[in-house]
Amino acid sequence: EAGVVQSPRYKIIEKKQPVAFWCNPISGHNTLYWYRQNLGQGPELLIRYENEEAVDDSQLPKDRFSAERLKGVDSTLKIQPAELGDSAVYLCASSLVYEQYFGPGTRLTVT
Amino acid sequence: ELKVEQNPLFLSMQEGKNYTIYCNYSTTSDRLYWYRQDPGKSLESLFVLLSNGAVKQEGRLMASLDTKARLSTLHITAAVHDLSATYFCAVAGDMRFGAGTRLTVKP
Repeated sequence: EAGVVQSPRYKIIEKKQPVAFWCNPISGHNTLYWYRQNLGQGPELLIRYENEEAVDDSQLPKDRFSAERLKGVDSTLKIQPAELGDSAVYLCASSLVYEQYFGPGTRLTVT
Repeated sequence: ELKVEQNPLFLSMQEGKNYTIYCNYSTTSDRLYWYRQDPGKSLESLFVLLSNGAVKQEGRLMASLDTKARLSTLHITAAVHDLSATYFCAVAGDMRFGAGTRLTVKP
């Protein structure tokens, strides 16, 4: 069974540029999560989807971050414009019931 | 706001020794997760604890949950070098993670 797929794996951009991350969850998993992990810290939940509905986006900085999960499968997380402090690893995870499965992450560097 | 505290944050162990990592959280939750992360890698699920008194074991790792005390423990038995990694607990609700425990097992 394929795991959670994320792309790109690495991204380097200049500040004020836009960037987008893509996630394909495990087939059949209704719940999808986006996390941000800063170096040396635990992941921080940005947004959680149940099918197409964003049920928890309280930690998403809505002035510059947006996300969508069309058709309840793939999801895209966007940052516009990026700031230096956005440099981090962005992790996508999916679950069917309780257990979460994480993708490999996208390492973003903003210069 | 839910707070999750892990301790210790750094742990250096000798092979063959036992130790316990603690995870305290501040508000009621009925589900707690433990993950392992190797350097430069993503997170690997170790345990999902679903109820008070839940105990799960896999190899040299055993996790338990006391929802009344708002405490979970991850016990390491007879540590081996392969267990060197960072271990995170996370509490359901808003999926808040602890800061992680960096475990190094030395020969």
